[in-house]
Amino acid sequence: TQLLEQSPQFLSIQEGENLTVYCNSSSVFSSLQWYRQEPGEGPVLLVTVVTGGEVKKLKRLTFQFGDARKDSSLHITAAQPGDTGLYLCAGEGGGADGLTFGKGTHLIIQP
Amino acid sequence: NAGVMQNPRHLVRRRGQEARLRCSPMKGHSHVYWYRQLPEEGLKFMVYLQKENIIDESGMPKERFSAEFPKEGPSILRIQQVVRGDSAAYFCASSPARVGGYTFGSGTRLTVV
Repeated sequence: TQLLEQSPQFLSIQEGENLTVYCNSSSVFSSLQWYRQEPGEGPVLLVTVVTGGEVKKLKRLTFQFGDARKDSSLHITAAQPGDTGLYLCAGEGGGADGLTFGKGTHLIIQP
Repeated sequence: NAGVMQNPRHLVRRRGQEARLRCSPMKGHSHVYWYRQLPEEGLKFMVYLQKENIIDESGMPKERFSAEFPKEGPSILRIQQVVRGDSAAYFCASSPARVGGYTFGSGTRLTVV
């Protein structure tokens, strides 16, 4: 069974601070995706990383895929209240159809 | 293009009733995936369908649950004789190919009373 562990589960910080959330697995994935989910809505794709060691930037968000394609991190610089939400990582491949999701990181940015 | 459309958004059923959840994929997408999300849990894969075919139903309970994606019309996830433990948010995603390019709907929140 493939598992993705996300940490921390909950994170509350002040506006302007930096933060990193992690997504770890013992399985190798062909790609890893990060989603953001608002209450009452479905997940919205932020980024897909495919190559081991890959780094992608999306404004203040930086995503990294581990060299062995088993783990990933999301770093947010100068967090803003609008970044508040549930961040989910999801792995694709490894012999399974669809996506394997982590339980998510609940992020609260306080003004 | 309205994206992936799921309806109803909220569904309340009494124990023992049937629940029917609908998903219309994005235009041009022929691959549909259903996921279930329980409180404080991540999304769990249930079933993967292409038009008229079930490709992988390994995540779907063997009893009471079924899914279809007919040639015409939306994909349907059917839960017969619902129990309280079926209460959850059910999400549908579609993609243009078997791998990648997933777009999720807003989900159906099923409450069994």
